[in-house]
Amino acid sequence: QVQLQESGPGLVKPSQTLSLTCTVSGGSISSGDSYWSWIRQHPGKGLEWIGYIYYSGFTYYNPSLKSLVTISVDTSKNQFSLKLSSVTAADTAVYYCARSAKTTVTTGVFDIWGQGTMVTVSS
Amino acid sequence: DIQLTQSPSFLSASVGDRVTITCRASRGISSYLAWYQQKPGKAPKLLIYAASTLQSGVPSRFSGSGSGTEFTLTISSLQPEDFATYYCQQLTSYPFTFGPGTKVEIK
Repeated sequence: QVQLQESGPGLVKPSQTLSLTCTVSGGSISSGDSYWSWIRQHPGKGLEWIGYIYYSGFTYYNPSLKSLVTISVDTSKNQFSLKLSSVTAADTAVYYCARSAKTTVTTGVFDIWGQGTMVTVSS
Repeated sequence: DIQLTQSPSFLSASVGDRVTITCRASRGISSYLAWYQQKPGKAPKLLIYAASTLQSGVPSRFSGSGSGTEFTLTISSLQPEDFATYYCQQLTSYPFTFGPGTKVEIK
């Protein structure tokens, strides 16, 4: 079955760019049957959807972060990535990658999640 | 954005209890609602989607109902492994948003 694994630096300096990668195993991003999302959770807080990408490169971002976020896909590596620019302490969070199946009722239903990676923004 | 509220925010219950959590949306979302369970240090786990469809592998003691603006998650007989935080999430419009969570603790 499909599994997701986040990777990237756990510490980022303020004003720099946070970069994370999600590696997909057990399935192909190019199958076209899924959307691939990033979601974050501030310490002790709720969940915030950042955006998703389709294998074709189509993206949709949360408007609250749109100007700072880029999600990209590398089908040859079966990975998708998140870049969040100009980070501040407020971007300190656990970042999850997640999959949602591309159907009428499940686009946006996150049925598979990575384990999450904690990113701290601090000098 | 569609805002979701959950009640209660905290719930203390005993093993075997019937537990109900309510999620309300700021505007109608038809049945485009999902429920997740999250345990400390773990990723959320999908329990229910389309308001009432049980995700494969999820025990039948979990059920969901509702449509429009009011939804409920019910655990018919609380088990020790059910102590966790539960989130609702709407997927009818962008951006997808989550409720603030309901923490279920052992009485």
